[in-house]
Amino acid sequence: GAGVSQTPSNKVTEKGKYVELRCDPISGHTALYWYRQSLGQGPEFLIYFQGTGAADDSGLPNDRFFAVRPEGSVSTLKIQRTERGDSAVYLCASSLIGGRADTQYFGPGTRLTVL
Amino acid sequence: AQSVAQPEDQVNVAEGNPLTVKCTYSVSGNPYLFWYVQYPNRGLQFLLKYITGDNLVKGSYGFEAEFNKSQTSFHLKKPSALVSDSALYFCAVKRDAGNMLTFGGGTRLMVKP
Repeated sequence: GAGVSQTPSNKVTEKGKYVELRCDPISGHTALYWYRQSLGQGPEFLIYFQGTGAADDSGLPNDRFFAVRPEGSVSTLKIQRTERGDSAVYLCASSLIGGRADTQYFGPGTRLTVL
Repeated sequence: AQSVAQPEDQVNVAEGNPLTVKCTYSVSGNPYLFWYVQYPNRGLQFLLKYITGDNLVKGSYGFEAEFNKSQTSFHLKKPSALVSDSALYFCAVKRDAGNMLTFGGGTRLMVKP
């Protein structure tokens, strides 16, 4: 079946601009996660959705970052006033019910470059 | 706070030889442990996980991992390495409460023919 998909695969923007990154989870998965992976590092947690609500947003670095999942499926990560330090690969994952034993399945990521 | 350490940035092994990629963790409560593999320009692919029960976990592509509670380790192993196993490997942990994964910094595995 189809896995997690993310669009765009690459995004180049200028400092100060606004960007949106999209994630389509595996069909039927109620839990959705965003992570950020900087060059040479492991992914870092940003936010976790259970259904339409953000159950844990403790990883969002500041108020320039925001994410939504209005219908409990597709999610959009929004970054305002981008900075060069936001350059990274943004990974989305989904899992069936969000339980502790759940496996998170990752998409291919969106590579964001802020010039 | 939970953390994961992968002490080797790179592991080199000859094709056909056994491989081990090391992982140690620190977490309060019972750990749920995961291994993922990342190929160039691709997302993370799930290999295996330890939840409870048998300390030896078998996963995809012939990989296995051994949970050792006293040493707080979860090393990834494979009896006979393939060149196609060359990739970046990440260990991750979940703690008792919460669903976020905390990842190690990754270990690059190079298998030479």
